[in-house]
Amino acid sequence: SQKIEQNSEALNIQEGKTATLTCNYTNYSPAYLQWYRQDPGRGPVFLLLIRENEKEKRKERLKVTFDTTLKQSLFHITASQPADSATYLCALVLYSSASKIIFGSGTRLSIRP
Amino acid sequence: DAGITQSPRYKITETGRQVTLMCHQTWSHSYMFWYRQDLGHGLRLIYYSAAADITDKGEVPDGYVVSRSKTENFPLTLESATRSQTSVYFCASSDPGLAGVKETQYFGPGTRLLVL
Repeated sequence: SQKIEQNSEALNIQEGKTATLTCNYTNYSPAYLQWYRQDPGRGPVFLLLIRENEKEKRKERLKVTFDTTLKQSLFHITASQPADSATYLCALVLYSSASKIIFGSGTRLSIRP
Repeated sequence: DAGITQSPRYKITETGRQVTLMCHQTWSHSYMFWYRQDLGHGLRLIYYSAAADITDKGEVPDGYVVSRSKTENFPLTLESATRSQTSVYFCASSDPGLAGVKETQYFGPGTRLLVL
């Protein structure tokens, strides 16, 4: 069966440390993988996109890796801050359908001061 | 204001009633999407539209109807609401990137629907 899984437990990190979130998928062939941030009561906000032929992408304190052999993406926030506390969603954009994106259920990240 | 808006933001209705959730975007994006978000399920696609008058089913379309007579509007109708349709509904829009693949979606603020 097709699945996309993120850390099921909430992640609690000390401020200043690097937070690492995991997204694993099975039986999908994604063209792209995206990461979104969602704050309580708000819609998701796009953060980063990485293509299947890219290994790593960076944007300020964010870094995403994409391993199509392991079928896994890692999302890193370096020098984490309490303002980074939110739920982070990964999403696969599929080759099989150019019009659909499959979302993971998200990982809640809490950064404590 | 520019962007993507949804209305109403909160709605309480009763089982069996028809409910329409509105979505409006000002970017002239060709693609629009409706998702529902429930605990433990993440975001699930209900319907999407590639352009005006073109719509297609997503993962969970049963009990919902959409239309898109204008590019900027994409209303979602629950024909006869059920308790299982209690959820948070998000509308999103995007423009196709290379080879028609969506590179990013822009989400509205959501509508919280409670069906009693």
